[in-house]
Amino acid sequence: QSVLTQAPSASGTPGQRVSISCSGSSSNVGNNAVNWYQHLPGTAPKVLIYTNNQRPSGVPDRFSGSKSGTSASLAISGLQSEDEADYYCGVWDDSLRGWVFGGGTKVTVL
Amino acid sequence: QVQLQESGPGLVKASETLSLTCTVSGGSISDYYWSWIRLSTGKGLEWIGRVYSTGETHYNPSLKSRFTISVDTSKSQFSLRVSSVTAADTAIYYCARRRSDTLYFDYWGQGILVTVSS
Repeated sequence: QSVLTQAPSASGTPGQRVSISCSGSSSNVGNNAVNWYQHLPGTAPKVLIYTNNQRPSGVPDRFSGSKSGTSASLAISGLQSEDEADYYCGVWDDSLRGWVFGGGTKVTVL
Repeated sequence: QVQLQESGPGLVKASETLSLTCTVSGGSISDYYWSWIRLSTGKGLEWIGRVYSTGETHYNPSLKSRFTISVDTSKSQFSLRVSSVTAADTAIYYCARRRSDTLYFDYWGQGILVTVSS
């Protein structure tokens, strides 16, 4: 039901690399900057990546973002237990004239 | 450190009006865009709308016109009213900030769970 499509879950063992994808269209991902938010239930969501691949200060460089066409990806390298959270992509949609998000991907550290 | 805190009732009866407030501390409410975003089971995050510090608003065109957002700069607060609530409005409601020169939400509140009862 979300405008942007994300896989509902992803997992890895500590130290592994996990990649999360976000698929959209030309009116959103294809034409605007994609952001990624990390959310631990019960806490405030936190911006992890902005403008496709920029990290705010304080975000470890284990997190990286990329975009190609109408798809974007978030990669977590060197997975750690504290990375277990929900991850959402978000972007402005020119056609809908509003902010849209993915359904979220729950990352589990095995 | 900027902090946002949502407040309001956790339980609302169907057909009534829900009112939530977001209090901003640690920074100015002026010259920023302030949004309401909700998270409901099965729907993910949904942007409801935003108000600029001048009072100018913009709402999610996909939602019906039951939502009203306003700002009170003297109290460093902005608010959300949802009229004629239904079970579909049950969600965690977040307030969030966006700087006028950026395209992402840099600060969020912890959220408030609102349940609509029949």
